[in-house]
Amino acid sequence: GESVGLHLPTLSVQEGDNSIINCAYSNSASDYFIWYKQESGKGPQFIIDIRSNMDKRQGQRVTVLLNKTVKHLSLQIAATQPGDSAVYFCAEKNSFQKLVFGTGTRLLVSP
Amino acid sequence: EPEVTQTPSHQVTQMGQEVILRCVPISNHLYFYWYRQILGQKVEFLVSFYNNEISEKSEIFDDQFSVERPDGSNFTLKIRSTKLEDSAMYFCASSPGVGETQYFGPGTRLLVL
Repeated sequence: GESVGLHLPTLSVQEGDNSIINCAYSNSASDYFIWYKQESGKGPQFIIDIRSNMDKRQGQRVTVLLNKTVKHLSLQIAATQPGDSAVYFCAEKNSFQKLVFGTGTRLLVSP
Repeated sequence: EPEVTQTPSHQVTQMGQEVILRCVPISNHLYFYWYRQILGQKVEFLVSFYNNEISEKSEIFDDQFSVERPDGSNFTLKIRSTKLEDSAMYFCASSPGVGETQYFGPGTRLLVL
């Protein structure tokens, strides 16, 4: 069956550190992956995406790495700030439109 | 920056009652979606909608659910006879085209008593 899982439910970092959030996926046919950030009481907010023909994509302070060999996705946040505190979800698209979300990792940033 | 909006932000209803959740997708987007998130759980896909038709739905989206685009701006999710287990956050999303980024609204928190 399809599944997208996260390795760690909670990640605690100090302000200024780099954060790495990991995600495993099981469907090798998935061709599009997205990271969303969800703050309390709000909807998922798009952060960055990557297609399966790439292994790395960079945004502002964020980098997504895709390792198709081991079906692993990671989100790196540089110089983590208190405003980055949220739950981070990876999602995969392996059908026409449906996104399959992981369980989420809570990122806690201490000043 | 354009965003998806949803109303109401909170809805409390009695079991067996009908509810309609409303969404205004981003104006130039063509694909619309509903997802739900039971408290503490994953975001789950319910349905996608394009060109006034359902294009994909999950096993959760049974006969008690329906979607409609009643006019040029609104997209609604109706639950005909709510159950306790329908209590969740319901998110609307839209995307410009197929396979493109889906942008989510702030959600409607539905509580069925």
